[in-house]
Amino acid sequence: DADVTQTPRNRITKTGKRIMLECSQTKGHDRMYWYRQDPGLGLRLIYYSFDVKDINKGEISDGYSVSRQAQAKFSLSLESAIPNQTALYFCATSDGGLAGIKGGEQFFGPGTRLTVL
Amino acid sequence: AQKITQTQPGMFVQEKEAVTLDCTYDTSDPSYGLFWYKQPSSGEMIFLIYQGSYDQQNATEGRYSLNFQKARKSANLVISASQLGDSAMYFCAMREGDNDYKLSFGAGTTVTVRA
Repeated sequence: DADVTQTPRNRITKTGKRIMLECSQTKGHDRMYWYRQDPGLGLRLIYYSFDVKDINKGEISDGYSVSRQAQAKFSLSLESAIPNQTALYFCATSDGGLAGIKGGEQFFGPGTRLTVL
Repeated sequence: AQKITQTQPGMFVQEKEAVTLDCTYDTSDPSYGLFWYKQPSSGEMIFLIYQGSYDQQNATEGRYSLNFQKARKSANLVISASQLGDSAMYFCAMREGDNDYKLSFGAGTTVTVRA
């Protein structure tokens, strides 16, 4: 079974609709992240969370909100979707310990491809 | 300013040859980490290799090696003996500091391996 799962994997929605993307992890990590990927721009950080009570805005948080329901679950919401939010969305996790050998490596889910018409 | 710059949008390499993917970074934090991830056409992000700013030796992982030139702020990925399965998008990323583990990504380089 995958350590980081995302649902749905694909979603097509219309402008103005509310949509939620969900992420679950079985790695036991404290830290979770949401990124979006656009062609030519790489991945950009939307929100990140250190634990259930600690949520932080990333580089491009406008138009998004998040909820950390439990250590293992981190949801991303688009309150009123718009076409330029069409992108590939990734959830990621990392251990909250010291950098160690792999320096805080992030483990990514499979991604959600979102299309807003 | 861009924290991670990958100047090669796409590259072609012959099977069994080596290829170097360029990455330059910008940070004033003395403690940072550099990562390379591979994204095949299926879309998942696969961790390849990591280099810490205080590491004395260049990182290696199988056919992947990282050419870390701290003074030049570059962290180029070298893939030796390219295989058809190496065809993918490759991202360079940086963690600044030791606390929150946020990553800044470059725009990526698409590698196509020719038979």
